[in-house]
Amino acid sequence: DSGVTQTPKHLITATGQRVTLRCSPRSGDLSVYWYQQSLDQGLQFLIQYYNGEERAKGNILERFSAQQFPDLHSELNLSSLELGDSALYFCASSETLQETQYFGPGTRLLVL
Amino acid sequence: DAKTTQPTSMDCAEGRAANLPCNHSTISGNEYVYWYRQIHSQGPQYIIHGLKNNETNEMASLIITEDRKSSTLILPHATLRDTAVYYCIGRPFNQAGTALIFGKGTTLSVSS
Repeated sequence: DSGVTQTPKHLITATGQRVTLRCSPRSGDLSVYWYQQSLDQGLQFLIQYYNGEERAKGNILERFSAQQFPDLHSELNLSSLELGDSALYFCASSETLQETQYFGPGTRLLVL
Repeated sequence: DAKTTQPTSMDCAEGRAANLPCNHSTISGNEYVYWYRQIHSQGPQYIIHGLKNNETNEMASLIITEDRKSSTLILPHATLRDTAVYYCIGRPFNQAGTALIFGKGTTLSVSS
């Protein structure tokens, strides 16, 4: 158990819908990262927050957005969902910007 | 980030040492070598990291060549539960907010 929690574990929705994935970092960690893992793309970095502020962006679509709240939990919002958005979404956290990242168990999203 | 090269797959007998190689000939002096593994579709699990000295923890040992162009992850007594995809990743330590860049990794199969 890494100490990072993600909810929900599974999510099934339809194309065009919007969903929110939630991540609670390890106690004391200020930085949160979001990654997407699809069958054809592997694990890809989406976005990173540090102490409430966006710090880095990766291959994140404009339909996706995220935020980190004052209590340091983070949410990833996915809108106008497409079949291709079906994937595993992982959150990771680290104490600072340079420290080791620890991953949560992931949310499996299926878009039908 | 340094590009790493790993064998696609490896086999290991249970109870034997598993030695997983990684080539990172383009690694720069400010990059750590990180190892993660992913068991089935679980969240990636941090194993170990190092800069230039060999490192050991309760999970594994990391041997980095003196020229830092390659490294070997050693699982001293592999068990069936070590069957996973192992990722070797180069990550700068002096750049804030650096995400992990995952390649395809090595699929290690441990059999009895």
